[in-house]
Amino acid sequence: AQSVTQLGSHVSVSEGALVLLRCNYSSSVPPYLFWYVQYPNQGLQLLLKYTTGATLVKGINGFEAEFKKSETSFHLTKPSAHMSDAAEYFCAVSNTGRRALTFGSGTRLQVQP
Amino acid sequence: DTGVSQDPRHKITKRGQNVTFRCDPISEHNRLYWYRQTLGQGPEFLTYFQNEAQLEKSRLLSDRFSAERPKGSFSTLEIQRTEQGDSAMYLCASSLRLAGGDNEQFFGPGTRLTVL
Repeated sequence: AQSVTQLGSHVSVSEGALVLLRCNYSSSVPPYLFWYVQYPNQGLQLLLKYTTGATLVKGINGFEAEFKKSETSFHLTKPSAHMSDAAEYFCAVSNTGRRALTFGSGTRLQVQP
Repeated sequence: DTGVSQDPRHKITKRGQNVTFRCDPISEHNRLYWYRQTLGQGPEFLTYFQNEAQLEKSRLLSDRFSAERPKGSFSTLEIQRTEQGDSAMYLCASSLRLAGGDNEQFFGPGTRLTVL
């Protein structure tokens, strides 16, 4: 079984500030981890993914995430928030035995001017 | 590559009616997934196909739901005797299965269903 917990359903930051969105996962086998972003009335867009190899993963739009096995975490960060980053962010997990994604409940990011 | 498309984008129906949604995946993708997303929640897996074979169904997929992918290309999701609890966004995603490869799913824009 696998699950994802996203701490904080809403996060608000100022433009230019650090963005940190938290994700913890549970998986009985080595996980594949993903961050997706969803803008209003749109589908999900992949930001970044971890499968194997380097634990620090860089994605689009300046986002990155670090896989920490000991902490079962995959937190998403961006050094400097931009107004266009305001959206809903979802962390998801899958594995080699089960390709369907299990999503967290999402974190809505607000960026204040 | 035109991405994953879904039709219709919005559907309003009365309780008890049947509805059908269509998903066209990225053309070379052999895996197709359906998810359901309710307000304020993350998407929940419903079912997936590899080519035309339906390989997994979630327990969320009651007997009122049926999905098909007859020629391994587009897929349809039908809901019979709709209930107000079926109101949600229905998302389709596709991916390309690679031997030993990872699993990046590309999502369509979704079909928003409202059951009155």
